[in-house]
Amino acid sequence: LAKTTQPISMDSYEGQEVNITCSHNNIATNDYITWYQQFPSQGPRFIIQGYKTKVTNEVASLFIPADRKSSTLSLPRVSLSDTAVYYCLVGGGATNKLIFGTGTLLAVQP
Amino acid sequence: NAGVTQTPKFRVLKTGQSMTLLCAQDMNHEYMYWYRQDPGMGLRLIHYSVGEGTTAKGEVPDGYNVSRLKKQNFLLGLESAAPSQTSVYFCASQPGLALDTQYFGPGTRLTVL
Repeated sequence: LAKTTQPISMDSYEGQEVNITCSHNNIATNDYITWYQQFPSQGPRFIIQGYKTKVTNEVASLFIPADRKSSTLSLPRVSLSDTAVYYCLVGGGATNKLIFGTGTLLAVQP
Repeated sequence: NAGVTQTPKFRVLKTGQSMTLLCAQDMNHEYMYWYRQDPGMGLRLIHYSVGEGTTAKGEVPDGYNVSRLKKQNFLLGLESAAPSQTSVYFCASQPGLALDTQYFGPGTRLTVL
């Protein structure tokens, strides 16, 4: 099973770009990489998903190298409201192979 | 459109008591999941369902049972609660296609004394 490793916490300031890296050395060929955001006392919320290279949407970018053993979530110009836990998820759909990482607590300061 | 709802929001049980957590979704999603979240542990999959009438074990299924009698509902049961089952429980649903986004409910905070 693909297990993920993320930094426990990161600090940033408003307006900065934040990059959170997730390691998934045992990722399978049919696995995708998905990132979720979680605020206190709420369920996780989908941010972005990708398979390889780069994916960008209105809130984030996801960079995946050719070997797919890691991925980097990039949040441009963070604000205080981006303070949350970010989870890296590796899996291929509705199977028990869905593994949430330990999560990275991002703290954004003024 | 309420999305994914969970009942109850909070519950305190004594060791050995039983209870059922209800998850309901109004999005006609095929897949539903139950997770538990403990401090420093992230989310762990308990059981999941790929359709009405079907269930399967996840990463940490022991001590829990589930049922999916109706497509919109996914029930999580604790037959004999233990203090180790103190946790926050999240339900999620997914449209049905592989790789679709999972939509999470607000969670149920359960304390077992």
